[in-house]
Amino acid sequence: SQQGEEDPQALSIQEGENATMNCSYKTSINNLQWYRQNSGRGLVHLILIRSNEREKHSGRLRVTLDTSKKSSSLLITASRAADTASYFCATDAAIDAGGTSYGKLTFGQGTILTVHP
Amino acid sequence: SAVISQKPSRDICQRGTSLTIQCQVDSQVTMMFWYRQQPGQSLTLIATANQGSEATYESGFVIDKFPISRPNLTFSTLTVSNMSPEDSSIYLCSVEPLRLGVYEQYFGPGTRLTVT
Repeated sequence: SQQGEEDPQALSIQEGENATMNCSYKTSINNLQWYRQNSGRGLVHLILIRSNEREKHSGRLRVTLDTSKKSSSLLITASRAADTASYFCATDAAIDAGGTSYGKLTFGQGTILTVHP
Repeated sequence: SAVISQKPSRDICQRGTSLTIQCQVDSQVTMMFWYRQQPGQSLTLIATANQGSEATYESGFVIDKFPISRPNLTFSTLTVSNMSPEDSSIYLCSVEPLRLGVYEQYFGPGTRLTVT
């Protein structure tokens, strides 16, 4: 079954506004990662948040994780036209006794973000 | 991070033929994976490419249809066999670098396959 669900499916905003995307998942996770994809190209890794972390920042990106609600959010502040892309969350559910992730990512359906100049 | 390249970047193939996609990484990595992204959809894991052993396939994917090779820690291939139009997708390889405790996964640029 699909692990992650994202909302909204599409988001349209003006340049300078903030964009918030949400991701929910169903099982316990080791970590959650956010990716950006431009026009069906490869995925760009944005940020990883571990299950024992609640918030993480990287430049204009802020990610939160609530494991009790099995949800995460990605906030992009002061958006730019270049931020226009699809954004995916992906969960990594397993880790072995040696501390190595199994690496099997389960992706959400994604949010299509359009930032108008 | 890791630099990942894929060949070909795109291809148009006829029904019934096979295509082999290559994935090259600029450093040794423990974990390599192959994903499929059907048009307008999210990514689905096909298999884990294990170095020196057979790939581990996810439910719904079989070795006869998607044979995978992993001859060393920097290279893998995925073959899409006996193609049909339903195989038209973007195929992406990903890697998780050989660093204990760091689980970031990086993706190649993808191979856009169209089957006619």
